[in-house]
Amino acid sequence: DVKVTQSSRYLVKRTGEKVFLECVQDMDHENMFWYRQDPGLGLRLIYFSYDVKMKEKGDIPEGYSVSREKKERFSLILESASTNQTSMYLCASVGAFLTNSPLHFGNGTRLTVT
Amino acid sequence: GDSVTQMEGPVTLSEEAFLTINCTYTATGYPSLFWYVQYPGEGLQLLLKATKADDKGSNKGFEATYRKETTSFHLEKGSVQVSDSAVYFCALSDYMEYGNKLVFGAGTILRVKS
Repeated sequence: DVKVTQSSRYLVKRTGEKVFLECVQDMDHENMFWYRQDPGLGLRLIYFSYDVKMKEKGDIPEGYSVSREKKERFSLILESASTNQTSMYLCASVGAFLTNSPLHFGNGTRLTVT
Repeated sequence: GDSVTQMEGPVTLSEEAFLTINCTYTATGYPSLFWYVQYPGEGLQLLLKATKADDKGSNKGFEATYRKETTSFHLEKGSVQVSDSAVYFCALSDYMEYGNKLVFGAGTILRVKS
């Protein structure tokens, strides 16, 4: 079974802090994703990566950056956290990203910025 | 652009009741359609999928039929259980010129009472 592990379940950070959210998958998947989940808005794609050191912006990249130095690890970085980034963050991965390929999700990190 | 609309919740049912969660979509191509489920405290997991018109996806007593003529993929279950309480997301995956795009609906909360 594919395992996608997010390092923290809950994080509380202060406004202006630099925040790192880490995600590791164990299935040698090429593609990894960061989503943000907010009530009534569903999941919105922040960034995705289709290979090591490769990244593409999603629908809401502003205020975020990502890093993928190793195939199994995909990090989301909030350069200067703001209260409107309080949310649930979900990491996902998939091997070949075909239209019929389901994503494998981690359990999420609930970030609160005060 | 592509979009997914699903019925607003929360949906509250008694155990053994019949469940329908409506989902309609707009897409430029020929998407695959998915239902994901998110149990409390967990990430999303694939519930079922359908990759072409008239396909029926099924799993754990849930089923959904890909209806191209009505652009719908409604989720149904004949007899819900308390353990089905979760958030359900309808999603589509469509091929774009730069790669695949996955679009999620806003999610529908299901609460089942004993």
